[in-house]
Amino acid sequence: DIVMTQSPDSLSVSLGATATIKCKSSRSVLYSYNYLAWYQQKPGQPPRLLIYWASTRGSGVPGRFSGSGSGTDFTLTISSLQAEDVAVYYCQQYYNTPGTFGQGTKVEIK
Amino acid sequence: EVQLVQSGPEVKKPGESLRISCKTSGYSFTTNWIAWVRQMPGKGLEWMAIMYPGDSDTRYGPSFKGRVAISVDQSIRTAFLQWNSLEASDTAIFYCAKAPTGTSVPYHFDSWGQGTLVTVSS
Repeated sequence: DIVMTQSPDSLSVSLGATATIKCKSSRSVLYSYNYLAWYQQKPGQPPRLLIYWASTRGSGVPGRFSGSGSGTDFTLTISSLQAEDVAVYYCQQYYNTPGTFGQGTKVEIK
Repeated sequence: EVQLVQSGPEVKKPGESLRISCKTSGYSFTTNWIAWVRQMPGKGLEWMAIMYPGDSDTRYGPSFKGRVAISVDQSIRTAFLQWNSLEASDTAIFYCAKAPTGTSVPYHFDSWGQGTLVTVSS
């Protein structure tokens, strides 16, 4: 299985500041495209797709969410953090099955 | 509108069997992979199993193969996850999720069910 490792496990960011979450895969997930997605999970809710193909925003996702990276190293950036962005964020590779998830990064307001 | 509506919470005893469901609407059921994802209390997401209803191609995560079974009923556009003998460690929230349409391999999950809480306790 491909192992996905996120950093940090948690971070505290001021309103309006930028949050940066890293995700590293144990092997490359690049094959024409990067088979990498990001999800947001708010307390008591199911996950929501934020980013797929490493940098394509999902339907209705605000422009302050952006994804970057290639191969084994990826980043989710939340610009101008809003109170409603408090959540746990997960990366997932779908290069092969099982489509493993990172352990999650909890984002809080400082 | 795409909808995945899961069955309600369950409380079971160890050794009992269980089948939970995920009823779908708003998209082509047979051409979208559908999966189950586990979330144990206070923990992260774990990819369990996935099926392509169009040809019944099925994949399991190694931790779940032999422990659960994924199935679908195309006539009612519903996916199922079944256990033959539950253990206390099966206590978790289980989500169904669908992948985008028409892909030969499972991609990311673009829609999710609301989750089903399964509690296994003696």
